[in-house]
Amino acid sequence: KAGVTQTPRYLIKTRGQQVTLSCSPISGHRSVSWYQQTPGQGLQFLFEYFSETQRNKGNFPGRFSGRQFSNSRSEMNVSTLELGDSALYLCASSLDGARTEAFFGQGTRLTVV
Amino acid sequence: GNSVTQMEGPVTLSEEAFLTINCTYTATGYPSLFWYVQYPGEGLQLLLKATKADDKGSNKGFEATYRKETTSFHLEKGSVQVSDSAVYFCALLEAGGTSYGKLTFGQGTILTVHP
Repeated sequence: KAGVTQTPRYLIKTRGQQVTLSCSPISGHRSVSWYQQTPGQGLQFLFEYFSETQRNKGNFPGRFSGRQFSNSRSEMNVSTLELGDSALYLCASSLDGARTEAFFGQGTRLTVV
Repeated sequence: GNSVTQMEGPVTLSEEAFLTINCTYTATGYPSLFWYVQYPGEGLQLLLKATKADDKGSNKGFEATYRKETTSFHLEKGSVQVSDSAVYFCALLEAGGTSYGKLTFGQGTILTVHP
């Protein structure tokens, strides 16, 4: 059974640009969550999608957005990039986003210069 | 709100030593509890889980017991190996309500095991 796949693994972008990250969950998983990991703030929750609907959102500015497609694949978008957006972005999938465990992808390392 | 507190690291041990990483939590309701491990340059791997009080999660020689009375989920291993060197995260997932899909993590504990 394939795990969670995130693409690309690495990205370098310039301030002011926008970026789209992709996540393919484990087959059969309908919940996809996104996290930002930085040395200073640790792991912070961005948002969660289930059956194409955003059910939960963390405390991030509106520049961070996401969506989920009918096949449960998800994308997150960051517009008007800032230096502080440099981070490892992790996607996690689970069956229901409620009590079942979440499995993580390897992450996308975003560097903003 | 929910929170998870882990013992501060880094933790440095010799091979075959006993490992304990403390984790306590604050949550409303009855969360599920998890330990994840992160190796350099990688994402998080689920190590073990417990979904209700007194449950014991175990995997690869690691164990943790869900203690509701002390709101704790301490990670233990009887004999660590060099290959266990990684960052360990304790996390909770509160069921339902407005908490869908939101894992709350501790700050992580760096473990280094020397031969």
